[in-house]
Amino acid sequence: AQSVAQPEDQVNVAEGNPLTVKCTYSVSGNPYLFWYVQYPNRGLQFLLKYITGDNLVKGSYGFEAEFNKSQTSFHLKKPSALVSDSALYFCAVTPPRDYKLSFGAGTTVTVRA
Amino acid sequence: DAGVIQSPRHEVTEMGQEVTLRCKPISGHNSLFWYRQTMMRGLELLIYFNNNVPIDDSGMPEDRFSAKMPNASFSTLKIQPSEPRDSAVYFCASSAASGSSGYTFGSGTRLTVV
Repeated sequence: AQSVAQPEDQVNVAEGNPLTVKCTYSVSGNPYLFWYVQYPNRGLQFLLKYITGDNLVKGSYGFEAEFNKSQTSFHLKKPSALVSDSALYFCAVTPPRDYKLSFGAGTTVTVRA
Repeated sequence: DAGVIQSPRHEVTEMGQEVTLRCKPISGHNSLFWYRQTMMRGLELLIYFNNNVPIDDSGMPEDRFSAKMPNASFSTLKIQPSEPRDSAVYFCASSAASGSSGYTFGSGTRLTVV
């Protein structure tokens, strides 16, 4: 069975500083990995995904994530955070050709002005 | 594309009443998922449909919950009778294919049972 861990419940950064949200996973085979963002009173929005190929994937709003197979990690990063990046971020994983995404517990990001 | 459409956005009901949540997936998507989100339990998958057929309902908490997908463009999640502990945000999501495409989520229905 697959699982996802987001070790930090909250991440606080100052605007303009780098932002990192951590994610580690456990899955059989090569994983499909996703990041979603949830703004208050909204549904989850897709940010980016890793399926295969280049370990560094770029997504919406200037976010990127790096797939590290040896560390089974898929950390989300943004070089310069904005106040508008304040939201709840979810990492998700699924084995190839499977339907069921397993979500992490979520990390609340707060970017202070 | 209007995305995944859920209705109502908010529902307040009294304990014991029947509640029906509705979802219209993205046209052409053949998989549909119902999730429940609470502070205590996070995101929970309740049920998954593929080509309108329920595939996995192991997450449905109890017999008070039921879900249907009569056609490719409509699904319902029903709670009868409702209880205060059912209060949560319920999300519907759809997907074009398994695995690589990820999900598109609706805006959710915030259910409050008093």
